[in-house]
Amino acid sequence: GAGVSQSPSNKVTEKGKDVELRCDPISGHTALYWYRQSLGQGLEFLIYFQGNSAPDKSGLPSDRFSAERTGGSVSTLTIQRTQQEDSAVYLCASSSYGQGGQPQHFGDGTRLSIL
Amino acid sequence: EDQVTQSPEALRLQEGESSSLNCSYTVSGLRGLFWYRQDPGKGPEFLFTLYSAGEEKEKERLKATLTKKESFLHITAPKPEDSATYLCAVQTWGDSWGKFQFGAGTQVVVTP
Repeated sequence: GAGVSQSPSNKVTEKGKDVELRCDPISGHTALYWYRQSLGQGLEFLIYFQGNSAPDKSGLPSDRFSAERTGGSVSTLTIQRTQQEDSAVYLCASSSYGQGGQPQHFGDGTRLSIL
Repeated sequence: EDQVTQSPEALRLQEGESSSLNCSYTVSGLRGLFWYRQDPGKGPEFLFTLYSAGEEKEKERLKATLTKKESFLHITAPKPEDSATYLCAVQTWGDSWGKFQFGAGTQVVVTP
């Protein structure tokens, strides 16, 4: 497809388990972003990639969260030892140029539920 | 401190009843202001980018305008399919990589 693709669309897991969320950006987009959206809340920035590098990781809430991007394309967000407060929708976006001025295009997110 | 505030939080309209949403910002050096629409269970969908005061963009029943302190999203003669949450986001020249700061959104419900 032409848009940003995220998988899985839904994930239910038990507290303490690790989870991996995947994002496939629009082809050719060099910039990639991860956000978290809790119920009824705004978008919380997590991390920004330019190519395979992450110049800004300032939004990652704890060291249980990590992300990587390979081949300048697919990115995975990993949450270790999940907690109930990690329950949220995790959104990925990409843009053609990370230096600004261009819109970010979003996937439909992964809805993560921690039991 | 940079801030982006959207109002109202929620808006209920009758079909055909025009209204406006507000996005006010206090940032240094606006680089761009972006409007998005988000349907339940979906990611935000890009609508418009505005770069300078006085600029206007239109798409179907939506029109976005920009001043030095705020942006308005005007919905003219809305239809039920315009029901969604509308988000605005700003980028500033002060950020090294064009970071988006999002408002909390306005939830719009249009009834037949």
